[in-house]
Amino acid sequence: SQTIHQWPATLVQPVGSPLSLECTVEGTSNPNLYWYRQAAGRGLQLLFYSVGIGQISSEVPQNLSASRPQDRQFILSSKKLLLSDSGFYLCAWSVNTAYEQYFGPGTRLTVT
Amino acid sequence: AQSVTQPDIHITVSEGASLELRCNYSYGATPYLFWYVQSPGQGLQLLLKYFSGDTLVQGIKGFEAEFKRSQSSFNLRKPSVHWSDAAEYFCAAANSGNTPLVFGKGTRLSVIA
Repeated sequence: SQTIHQWPATLVQPVGSPLSLECTVEGTSNPNLYWYRQAAGRGLQLLFYSVGIGQISSEVPQNLSASRPQDRQFILSSKKLLLSDSGFYLCAWSVNTAYEQYFGPGTRLTVT
Repeated sequence: AQSVTQPDIHITVSEGASLELRCNYSYGATPYLFWYVQSPGQGLQLLLKYFSGDTLVQGIKGFEAEFKRSQSSFNLRKPSVHWSDAAEYFCAAANSGNTPLVFGKGTRLSVIA
Protein backbone atom coordinates (compact mmCIF):
# COMPACT_ATOMS: atom_id res chain seq x y z
CA SER A 1 0.00 0.00 0.00
CA GLN A 2 1.00 3.59 -0.49
CA THR A 3 2.12 5.87 2.31
CA ILE A 4 3.13 9.49 2.42
CA HIS A 5 5.50 11.00 4.94
CA GLN A 6 6.17 14.58 5.89
CA TRP A 7 8.77 16.01 8.21
CA PRO A 8 9.23 17.68 10.44
CA ALA A 9 5.82 17.56 12.09
CA THR A 10 6.29 20.94 13.73
CA LEU A 11 8.78 23.71 13.18
CA VAL A 12 9.43 27.08 14.80
CA GLN A 13 11.71 29.34 12.80
CA PRO A 14 12.73 33.01 13.11
CA VAL A 15 11.96 35.52 10.41
CA GLY A 16 14.66 35.56 7.75
CA SER A 17 15.80 31.98 8.31
CA PRO A 18 15.73 29.34 5.57
CA LEU A 19 13.16 26.57 5.27
CA SER A 20 13.18 23.04 3.98
CA LEU A 21 10.18 20.74 4.28
CA GLU A 22 10.35 17.26 2.90
CA CYS A 23 7.70 14.92 1.58
CA THR A 24 8.21 11.35 0.41
CA VAL A 25 5.81 8.79 -0.99
CA GLU A 26 6.20 5.03 -0.80
CA GLY A 27 4.50 2.26 -2.72
CA THR A 28 3.89 3.99 -6.03
CA SER A 29 5.87 5.20 -9.01
CA ASN A 30 5.75 8.50 -10.87
CA PRO A 31 3.11 10.08 -8.64
CA ASN A 32 1.82 13.60 -9.09
CA LEU A 33 2.92 15.57 -6.03
CA TYR A 34 1.43 18.67 -4.43
CA TRP A 35 2.22 21.25 -1.75
CA TYR A 36 -0.61 23.11 -0.02
CA ARG A 37 -0.73 25.69 2.74
CA GLN A 38 -3.51 26.29 5.24
CA ALA A 39 -3.44 29.55 7.13
CA ALA A 40 -5.26 29.58 10.46
CA GLY A 41 -9.00 29.22 9.94
CA ARG A 42 -8.74 29.29 6.15
CA GLY A 43 -8.99 26.81 3.32
CA LEU A 44 -6.38 25.06 1.24
CA GLN A 45 -4.05 27.05 -0.98
CA LEU A 46 -2.25 25.09 -3.68
CA LEU A 47 1.37 26.24 -3.80
CA PHE A 48 3.11 23.87 -6.23
CA TYR A 49 2.51 20.64 -8.06
CA SER A 50 4.71 18.29 -10.01
CA VAL A 51 3.86 15.66 -12.61
CA GLY A 52 7.43 14.34 -12.85
CA ILE A 53 11.05 14.78 -11.80
CA GLY A 54 12.19 18.33 -12.42
CA GLN A 55 8.70 19.44 -13.50
CA ILE A 56 7.27 22.02 -11.12
CA SER A 57 4.20 24.17 -11.63
CA SER A 58 3.92 27.18 -9.37
CA GLU A 59 0.50 28.41 -8.38
CA VAL A 60 1.63 31.05 -5.90
CA PRO A 61 4.99 32.56 -6.95
CA GLN A 62 5.99 34.25 -3.73
CA ASN A 63 8.59 33.52 -1.10
CA LEU A 64 8.62 29.78 -1.60
CA SER A 65 10.06 27.32 -4.10
CA ALA A 66 9.72 23.59 -4.68
CA SER A 67 11.94 20.90 -6.06
CA ARG A 68 11.57 17.26 -6.96
CA PRO A 69 15.02 15.71 -6.93
CA GLN A 70 13.73 12.12 -7.01
CA ASP A 71 10.58 10.45 -8.30
CA ARG A 72 8.91 10.20 -4.90
CA GLN A 73 10.47 13.15 -3.09
CA PHE A 74 9.08 16.67 -3.01
CA ILE A 75 10.78 19.50 -1.15
CA LEU A 76 9.40 22.91 -0.22
CA SER A 77 11.98 25.62 0.44
CA SER A 78 12.46 29.24 1.27
CA LYS A 79 15.64 31.29 1.50
CA LYS A 80 14.19 33.80 3.96
CA LEU A 81 11.01 33.16 5.89
CA LEU A 82 8.39 35.84 6.44
CA LEU A 83 5.85 36.02 9.25
CA SER A 84 3.16 35.40 6.64
CA ASP A 85 4.71 32.00 5.84
CA SER A 86 3.32 30.60 9.09
CA GLY A 87 0.71 27.93 8.57
CA PHE A 88 0.00 24.26 8.15
CA TYR A 89 1.77 22.75 5.14
CA LEU A 90 0.34 19.67 3.50
CA CYS A 91 1.86 17.41 0.91
CA ALA A 92 -0.31 15.19 -1.25
CA TRP A 93 0.04 12.71 -4.10
CA SER A 94 -2.18 11.32 -6.83
CA VAL A 95 -1.85 8.91 -9.72
CA ASN A 96 -3.35 11.44 -12.11
CA THR A 97 -3.92 15.18 -11.96
CA ALA A 98 -7.70 14.77 -12.09
CA TYR A 99 -7.94 11.92 -9.62
CA GLU A 100 -8.20 11.91 -5.86
CA GLN A 101 -5.27 13.14 -3.84
CA TYR A 102 -3.91 11.46 -0.73
CA PHE A 103 -2.56 13.72 1.95
CA GLY A 104 0.30 13.53 4.39
CA PRO A 105 -0.01 14.39 8.09
CA GLY A 106 1.20 17.96 7.60
CA THR A 107 3.85 20.26 9.05
CA ARG A 108 2.93 23.07 11.41
CA LEU A 109 5.27 26.00 10.71
CA THR A 110 5.42 28.98 13.04
CA VAL A 111 7.58 31.91 12.01
CA THR A 112 8.49 34.14 14.95
CA ALA B 1 -13.36 29.92 -14.18
CA GLN B 2 -13.81 26.55 -12.54
CA SER B 3 -14.87 26.81 -8.93
CA VAL B 4 -16.26 24.88 -5.99
CA THR B 5 -18.52 26.58 -3.48
CA GLN B 6 -19.39 25.42 0.00
CA PRO B 7 -22.02 27.92 1.13
CA ASP B 8 -21.88 27.05 4.83
CA ILE B 9 -18.78 28.09 6.75
CA HIS B 10 -19.91 26.51 10.02
CA ILE B 11 -22.71 24.10 10.89
CA THR B 12 -23.72 22.84 14.32
CA VAL B 13 -25.81 19.70 14.71
CA SER B 14 -26.89 17.60 17.66
CA GLU B 15 -25.47 14.15 18.09
CA GLY B 16 -27.77 11.64 16.46
CA ALA B 17 -29.29 14.18 14.09
CA SER B 18 -28.98 13.99 10.33
CA LEU B 19 -26.43 16.03 8.42
CA GLU B 20 -26.24 17.57 4.99
CA LEU B 21 -23.27 19.61 3.82
CA ARG B 22 -23.70 21.54 0.61
CA CYS B 23 -21.34 21.72 -2.33
CA ASN B 24 -21.86 23.41 -5.69
CA TYR B 25 -19.50 23.41 -8.61
CA SER B 26 -19.04 25.54 -11.70
CA TYR B 27 -17.51 23.57 -14.55
CA GLY B 28 -18.19 23.39 -18.27
CA ALA B 29 -18.71 19.64 -18.13
CA THR B 30 -19.45 17.29 -15.26
CA PRO B 31 -16.28 17.12 -13.21
CA TYR B 32 -14.95 14.39 -10.99
CA LEU B 33 -16.16 15.15 -7.47
CA PHE B 34 -14.72 14.41 -4.03
CA TRP B 35 -15.39 14.92 -0.35
CA TYR B 36 -12.62 15.05 2.26
CA VAL B 37 -12.60 15.34 6.04
CA GLN B 38 -9.90 16.98 8.15
CA SER B 39 -9.61 16.63 11.91
CA PRO B 40 -7.71 19.39 13.74
CA GLY B 41 -3.98 19.25 13.15
CA GLN B 42 -4.20 16.40 10.67
CA GLY B 43 -4.13 15.85 6.95
CA LEU B 44 -7.19 15.39 4.77
CA GLN B 45 -8.85 12.01 4.43
CA LEU B 46 -10.87 11.03 1.38
CA LEU B 47 -14.49 10.20 2.27
CA LEU B 48 -15.86 9.42 -1.17
CA LYS B 49 -15.60 10.22 -4.86
CA TYR B 50 -17.81 10.41 -7.93
CA PHE B 51 -16.59 9.86 -11.47
CA SER B 52 -19.68 8.63 -13.30
CA GLY B 53 -22.58 6.20 -13.01
CA ASP B 54 -24.84 5.89 -9.98
CA THR B 55 -25.46 9.40 -8.66
CA LEU B 56 -25.64 8.25 -5.04
CA VAL B 57 -22.16 7.45 -3.78
CA GLN B 58 -21.37 5.62 -0.57
CA GLY B 59 -18.24 6.45 1.36
CA ILE B 60 -16.43 5.64 4.55
CA LYS B 61 -17.63 6.43 8.08
CA GLY B 62 -21.28 6.14 7.05
CA PHE B 63 -21.24 9.12 4.68
CA GLU B 64 -22.92 9.32 1.30
CA ALA B 65 -23.17 12.01 -1.36
CA GLU B 66 -25.60 12.61 -4.16
CA PHE B 67 -24.65 14.12 -7.51
CA LYS B 68 -27.36 16.30 -9.05
CA ARG B 69 -26.45 17.55 -12.50
CA SER B 70 -29.44 19.91 -12.74
CA GLN B 71 -28.33 21.70 -9.58
CA SER B 72 -24.56 21.40 -10.13
CA SER B 73 -24.40 19.99 -6.62
CA PHE B 74 -22.71 17.19 -4.76
CA ASN B 75 -24.05 17.31 -1.21
CA LEU B 76 -22.68 15.16 1.57
CA ARG B 77 -25.08 13.42 3.95
CA LYS B 78 -25.07 11.28 7.04
CA PRO B 79 -28.26 9.96 8.67
CA SER B 80 -26.98 10.09 12.26
CA VAL B 81 -24.02 12.21 13.33
CA HIS B 82 -21.59 11.09 16.00
CA TRP B 83 -19.49 13.40 18.16
CA SER B 84 -16.38 12.09 16.40
CA ASP B 85 -17.67 13.55 13.11
CA ALA B 86 -16.79 17.05 14.32
CA ALA B 87 -14.20 18.23 11.80
CA GLU B 88 -13.65 20.35 8.70
CA TYR B 89 -15.15 19.04 5.48
CA PHE B 90 -13.90 19.93 2.02
CA CYS B 91 -15.54 19.39 -1.32
CA ALA B 92 -13.30 19.22 -4.40
CA ALA B 93 -13.66 18.87 -8.15
CA ALA B 94 -11.49 18.25 -11.18
CA ASN B 95 -12.02 17.92 -14.90
CA SER B 96 -10.34 15.28 -17.01
CA GLY B 97 -7.60 17.65 -18.13
CA ASN B 98 -4.26 18.44 -16.57
CA THR B 99 -5.33 20.87 -13.86
CA PRO B 100 -5.33 19.77 -10.22
CA LEU B 101 -8.31 19.46 -7.95
CA VAL B 102 -10.07 22.66 -6.98
CA PHE B 103 -11.14 22.69 -3.34
CA GLY B 104 -13.98 24.55 -1.69
CA LYS B 105 -13.18 26.67 1.34
CA GLY B 106 -14.53 24.07 3.72
CA THR B 107 -17.37 23.67 6.20
CA ARG B 108 -16.62 23.29 9.86
CA LEU B 109 -18.95 20.85 11.59
CA SER B 110 -19.56 21.08 15.32
CA VAL B 111 -21.51 18.35 17.13
CA ILE B 112 -23.30 19.08 20.38
CA ALA B 113 -24.74 16.65 22.89
